[in-house]
Amino acid sequence: NAGVTQTPKFQVLKTGQSMTLQCAQDMNHEYMSWYRQDPGMGLRLIHYSVGAGITDQGEVPNGYNVSRSTTEDFPLRLLSAAPSQTSVYFCASRRVDTQPQHFGDGTRLSIL
Amino acid sequence: EDKVVQSPLSLVVHEGDTVTLNCSYEVTNFRSLLWYKQEKKAPTFLFMLTSSGIEKKSGRLSSILDKKELFSILNITATQTGDSAVYLCAVERGFGNEKLTFGTGTRLTIIP
Repeated sequence: NAGVTQTPKFQVLKTGQSMTLQCAQDMNHEYMSWYRQDPGMGLRLIHYSVGAGITDQGEVPNGYNVSRSTTEDFPLRLLSAAPSQTSVYFCASRRVDTQPQHFGDGTRLSIL
Repeated sequence: EDKVVQSPLSLVVHEGDTVTLNCSYEVTNFRSLLWYKQEKKAPTFLFMLTSSGIEKKSGRLSSILDKKELFSILNITATQTGDSAVYLCAVERGFGNEKLTFGTGTRLTIIP
């Protein structure tokens, strides 16, 4: 019973590099979302999706892209990493119109 | 803009003490308030509250919502070292825009 799986767990990038954070869930949840967590800022919503082929912006979307080609997967792309994107990233999923969200274990990302 | 404020920011108590964590909020079209516990990794769900004045209870933890005064409290009685964590409060707005807004959290430390 995997739940929400995020990879990698840790990553160090140089400014300007690109990378994709992976998120997969096996609970057949329609709703998936990405958050970033910074000290003193709480969890802030980056992007979310209510189903395959549908995505929308959250509170802090700039510098990030997402796509949702399947129900199970919701990758987050950094096209040109910046030091301000150093953070812990959490993916979460739930059924549409219900709570709570179930969170993955996070990806700790450092941009040098 | 939706807003969630938690207090205190941090709290240090001795094992066996009782603690009360606070969460006040301002949100358009309130739907629910959720409490999560975050240790080293993923936030884990504790309670969801939708109705005023109805206490939710799980073992030594309990929570109540006041929709008139726009706040919730989380109580932990007979604290144990395993209760040490960051406690997050989040508020969900409804009516087709079901996003969660998180507070910055309360860091609780239990001293043996």
